[in-house]
Order: sequence, then C-alpha cells, then structure tokens
Amino acid sequence: DGGITQSPKYLFRKEGQNVTLSCEQNLNHDAMYWYRQDPGQGLRLIYYSQIVNDFQKGDIAEGYSVSREKKESFPLTVTSAQKNPTAFYLCASTISLDSYNEQFFGPGTRLTVL
Amino acid sequence: AQSVTQLGSHVSVSEGALVLLRCNYSSSVPPYLFWYVQYPNQGLQLLLKYTTGATLVKGINGFEAEFKKSETSFHLTKPSAHMSDAAEYFCAVSDRSNYQLIWGAGTKLIIKP
Repeated sequence: DGGITQSPKYLFRKEGQNVTLSCEQNLNHDAMYWYRQDPGQGLRLIYYSQIVNDFQKGDIAEGYSVSREKKESFPLTVTSAQKNPTAFYLCASTISLDSYNEQFFGPGTRLTVL
Repeated sequence: AQSVTQLGSHVSVSEGALVLLRCNYSSSVPPYLFWYVQYPNQGLQLLLKYTTGATLVKGINGFEAEFKKSETSFHLTKPSAHMSDAAEYFCAVSDRSNYQLIWGAGTKLIIKP
C-alpha cells in the first residue's frame, strides 16, 4: 500500500539536543511538506520541498532544518535553537505543484521536551 | 493574500442531529477547496474537495459540502451525526501562486449522546 510513514511516533528530547524526525513516502510524489501543530493553532508550515535537493522555508522555519537527498525522504531536524519544540509534527506530500495541491499526510510525530 | 476562516473552534451536536461546520475563504482566483478530518493523535485525512464542476461535493463518511462563490463559502454538512464523527475538521484553500494550502484554524466537533 502506498502512503507516508513517520517515525518515531513519540519522541522525547532533552534541552540542548538536536533530534531528527523521519518522513518517507512511496507515492512517487514530487513535493513534500513539514507542518507543526499546536493546540488551537491549526497547521503551520515549517519547510517544503518541490524537488530533490531543493527546499524552501515556510512560516516558522527558525530552529529547524531539512534535507531532500532522495525523492522519497524528507527528514526534519529540530535543533537546539528551537526554543519551544514541544508539538505534534506532520509530514505531507502532493503529486506535484502543478496539481490541485491535494496533500496526503503521515500519522505524525509527537515531540516532547523534557 | 488568501485566507480561510472557520467559524467556531468547537461545535457540539447531539447524536443523530445535523452537522454544519462553516468555512469562508478569500481568494482572487477560482479556488480549490478542501475539508480534512483529524482524529486524536493521528494525521489528517481528506474528506472531500472542490476543484471544478459540480458545486455540491460528496465525500467520505456521509459528509458533503457546497461551494458557493457568491458567499465565498464551503460549509461542511452531514444529515445525521454519529459518535464516530467526533474529531477536528480543517478547511483549506489552495494558493495557486505558491501551491501551498492555506489552512483554517480547525473546528472540533463534539457529539453528545
């Protein structure tokens, strides 16, 4: 079955640590996205990538970094510069940016800072 | 700039009653519109979408939405609520200038037995 996988489902980070969230898709989609979700705030875009080896900052990119070395993979690193990283993180993909931009979502990773 | 407004952060209905979740958008071009559902601690799942053609769109789980250009609305309805409909619902519009989705803040649907 095609879909998007995110791992781990739960992640705990100590202050000052960098952590990396995994996102893999086997839908052959060109574009991939990372969102952050906080209670009552909907979805906020962190980074997105249209093609391999290219990505753009979203609305809240500070304290985060990404890479897109393969079409299937778009990992997100939460760095120590992100002062309030506790949130639910969602990865999404879409066929191409010439489509309606219907996005498909992974199951999410809940990150908690200890 | 495009925007999406969902009226009511929480909506409570009785089981068996009509569900109506409101979404209004602003867009300078004909929009592509979406409704997604999110169950607790899960990702988002597409309920339905409007791209072109028929303005009344049917989706999964008995939901439907009607695109009304004159009212810039895309309200989500279901004739009879079920306990399993309790979730958070998000309306989104496609921003064709940068091919992102502009999201509403979400509405939590609460079903009373």
